[in-house]
Amino acid sequence: GESVGLHLPTLSVQEGDNSIINCAYSNSASDYFIWYKQESGKGPQFIIDIRSNMDKRQGQRVTVLLNKTVKHLSLQIAATQPGDSAVYFCAEKPTGGYQKVTFGTGTKLQVIP
Amino acid sequence: EAGVAQSPRYKIIEKRQSVAFWCNPISGHATLYWYQQILGQGPKLLIQFQNNGVVDDSQLPKDRFSAERLKGVDSTLKIQPAKLEDSAVYLCASSSLSGRAYNEQFFGPGTRLTVL
Repeated sequence: GESVGLHLPTLSVQEGDNSIINCAYSNSASDYFIWYKQESGKGPQFIIDIRSNMDKRQGQRVTVLLNKTVKHLSLQIAATQPGDSAVYFCAEKPTGGYQKVTFGTGTKLQVIP
Repeated sequence: EAGVAQSPRYKIIEKRQSVAFWCNPISGHATLYWYQQILGQGPKLLIQFQNNGVVDDSQLPKDRFSAERLKGVDSTLKIQPAKLEDSAVYLCASSSLSGRAYNEQFFGPGTRLTVL
């Protein structure tokens, strides 16, 4: 069945360093992979997505890498800031369908000042 | 642009009672989603509407949960009767219909439900 999981439940990073959050997925029939950020007491917020025919996509201070060979997704945050402290979810959207996405369990990023 | 609105923000009820949540999506968004997020887990889709029709309710416990989206705008999610395991944050999200394979979902702040 479908599953999206994360390797580490908690990641602590020094302010200014780069952060790498990893995610493994099992459904090969997904055409989009998405990263969301959820701050305490708030709903998830879209960060970046990547189509399955791409290996890399960059945004503002973030880069998503997709390795379909090993079914691995990562989110890299450059120069991590205190405001980046949150839980990060990867999610996948199966090909076709009605935009339904499946979320993983999340990684908590703690930024140490 | 106003975001997704949800109410109430918090609700405490006893098991076997009923509860209803309300969601107002971003203006013009055709697709509306209700998610259940149990503490420490990712959101789980309960039901998805496109305009006022249901396109996915495969994970909705239909014996106790119901949802409607009259007129294709606001939506309500109801639980009757509630169980202890229904304690969670209920998130509403909306997205536009742009023709892309994936359209960004915008989430509301959620309603935290505690069932005692």
